[in-house]
Amino acid sequence: AQKVTQAQTEISVVEKEDVTLDCVYETRDTTYYLFWYKQPPSGELVFLIRRNSFDEQNEISGRYSWNFQKSTSSFNFTITASQVVDSAVYFCALSEARAAMDSSYKLIFGSGTRLLVRP
Amino acid sequence: NAGVTQTPKFQVLKTGQSMTLQCAQDMNHEYMSWYRQDPGMGLRLIHYSVGAGITDQGEVPNGYNVSRSTTEDFPLRLLSAAPSQTSVYFCASTEQGGEQYFGPGTRLTVT
Repeated sequence: AQKVTQAQTEISVVEKEDVTLDCVYETRDTTYYLFWYKQPPSGELVFLIRRNSFDEQNEISGRYSWNFQKSTSSFNFTITASQVVDSAVYFCALSEARAAMDSSYKLIFGSGTRLLVRP
Repeated sequence: NAGVTQTPKFQVLKTGQSMTLQCAQDMNHEYMSWYRQDPGMGLRLIHYSVGAGITDQGEVPNGYNVSRSTTEDFPLRLLSAAPSQTSVYFCASTEQGGEQYFGPGTRLTVT
């Protein structure tokens, strides 16, 4: 069975601190996708990244970076120099994929990590 | 493009009432899904569709029906609302080989 665990329920940091959000997943599939979504207080879900299981390269996008490690089944998310606007709930999610380039439409979500960045 | 739209944004029902949550997308995506979000539990898949006329159950389908008569629309029906269905409902559509686009959500309260 597929499962996503976000053990950190809530994290509080002071602005400009770096923070890492942990995500551990379980799947028997050899081909799958991993995602991160941001849910700000307004409630919408904002897509941050999608990574397929064949691509273990780390990714950096501005202050955001992601560390994918198949050996530990983890897909952690780091925010560098956090800002108050980063305050939100962050969800990690997993999806099966019929093929490496197929769509991922059945997401299994973790329970989310609430990040509070204090000024 | 309007993306994924959901109506209504808020709804209060009494136990036993029925209603339909509407979802529409204008991106010509084949895949659409419904999720519910409960506090502390993340989002859980209710039903999904891989194309017009094709639907299937997700993780928590009981108490919900769906149909997909067109590519654009994917309504979610509650036949007899129960307090346990109080939740925030998100509709999503997925492009081939791409990401899921989520609607803004519908907050449903069943009293």
